[in-house]
Amino acid sequence: DAGVIQSPRHEVTEMGQEVTLRCKPISGHNSLFWYRQTMMRGLELLIYFNNNVPIDDSGMPEDRFSAKMPNASFSTLKIQPSEPRDSAVYFCASSPRSGTSDTDTQYFGPGTRLTVL
Amino acid sequence: AQTVTQSQPEMSVQEAETVTLSCTYDTSESDYYLFWYKQPPSRQMILVIRQEAYKQQNATENRFSVNFQKAAKSFSLKISDSQLGDAAMYFCALRGYGQNFVFGPGTRLSVLP
Repeated sequence: DAGVIQSPRHEVTEMGQEVTLRCKPISGHNSLFWYRQTMMRGLELLIYFNNNVPIDDSGMPEDRFSAKMPNASFSTLKIQPSEPRDSAVYFCASSPRSGTSDTDTQYFGPGTRLTVL
Repeated sequence: AQTVTQSQPEMSVQEAETVTLSCTYDTSESDYYLFWYKQPPSRQMILVIRQEAYKQQNATENRFSVNFQKAAKSFSLKISDSQLGDAAMYFCALRGYGQNFVFGPGTRLSVLP
């Protein structure tokens, strides 16, 4: 299995620009999670989806952030407009569907390092 | 609310020696899962070991084992025969009912040759 795939791996943009991060979960997984990691705040859950439906977006910082999951194999996290304080590593993770032996486990992608100048 | 605490921001161990990383947590749920994830300099989050709270037997994965004390809400990770490749940030995580994970702040482990 290819694992969770994220793109791009690195993104450098200027303040005010729109940024779109992409994630392809592991095939057959039905839950998807977006995290943000910074030195100051550690690992924060932004939002998670179950069967393509957003379940909990209470971690989304503000209206500038939005996430979509149009189908089981693709999700995006968009920041518009971006600000320097959004600079962080953004991780996507997926979990298998209920009934599998490791349904409780999250498998992480390699992350996207975002730098907003 | 669920919380995870890792009281050791940094630890070091001599190669081939054993080290224990501490984790305590708080939850009001009776069924939950605990995890240790490793994050090397590559930033990849790698699952090290998982423990179901309803199981009394401590989980073991090769050189990695846990000491799960449910009453004390403690979940420490023991790394035996430490290797240079074990150097990383280690995160303790708790998953209760539903899908939400709570991660601890991490412990940075250095392995000295």
